[in-house]
Amino acid sequence: AQSVTQPDIHITVSEGASLELRCNYSYGATPYLFWYVQSPGQGLQLLLKYFSGDTLVQGIKGFEAEFKRSQSSFNLRKPSVHWSDAAEYFCAVRADSNYQLIWGAGTKLIIKP
Amino acid sequence: NAGVTQTPKFQVLKTGQSMTLQCAQDMNHEYMSWYRQDPGMGLRLIHYSVGAGITDQGEVPNGYNVSRSTTEDFPLRLLSAAPSQTSVYFCASTEGTVFSGELFFGEGSRLTVL
Repeated sequence: AQSVTQPDIHITVSEGASLELRCNYSYGATPYLFWYVQSPGQGLQLLLKYFSGDTLVQGIKGFEAEFKRSQSSFNLRKPSVHWSDAAEYFCAVRADSNYQLIWGAGTKLIIKP
Repeated sequence: NAGVTQTPKFQVLKTGQSMTLQCAQDMNHEYMSWYRQDPGMGLRLIHYSVGAGITDQGEVPNGYNVSRSTTEDFPLRLLSAAPSQTSVYFCASTEGTVFSGELFFGEGSRLTVL
C-alpha cells in the first residue's frame, strides 16, 4: 500500500538558518508528489509539486524540493528561514486510484528568534 | 474570487445531534472533497465528488453523508454526531475531472462533539 512518512514531528530552526524537512514515500512507479503548508488556524496551501522531469523543483515562498527515486524521498529545503515560515508542513503523494492524496502526518516547524 | 468558503468556522454539538458543514467554491472546479484533520494523523479523506450528481467514499466515510447538486456546493452532513467526530474539517477543490492533486483548501471548520 502507498504511504508517506515524515520522520520529524517537530523541527526547531533559528531564523536565518537553512531548513530541510524529510519526506519518504512508498510507491512503485514515478509518483506525483506534493508539499503543502498550513499556517496556524488556516487551511493548507500548495508549496510545490513534482510530476516528472527535473528532479529539483521550485515552489513559492523560496522553497524547493528534490525528488530522489533511489531513496524514495522528496525533501523540502529552504536556504534561510524567516519567522513567517513557522507552520506545519505536509508531504503527500497522489494515490493510484480513488482520486485522493496520501498524506504524511506533518512536521511542525518552530523558528527561534 | 473568494476561493473555497466553509461555514461555520466553529461548532459545538451534543452527542446525537445532526448538522451540516457547508462548502462553496467559486472557481468552477469539478472536483470537491472533505477531509478531517486530527493531531498526528495528517488528513484523511471522508468523501469526494468529481462533478454534480457524482459522489464517492474516501478513507473514513462512516457517519457522514454528502451530496452534490451543483458544481459550487458540497455540503457534509453528520446525521448523529459522536465524540469521535470531534475534529477540524477541511473542504478542498481542484479543477478538472482528472485528479492532479493540486488542491485549494478552505480555512476549516472546527467541530466539537460533547
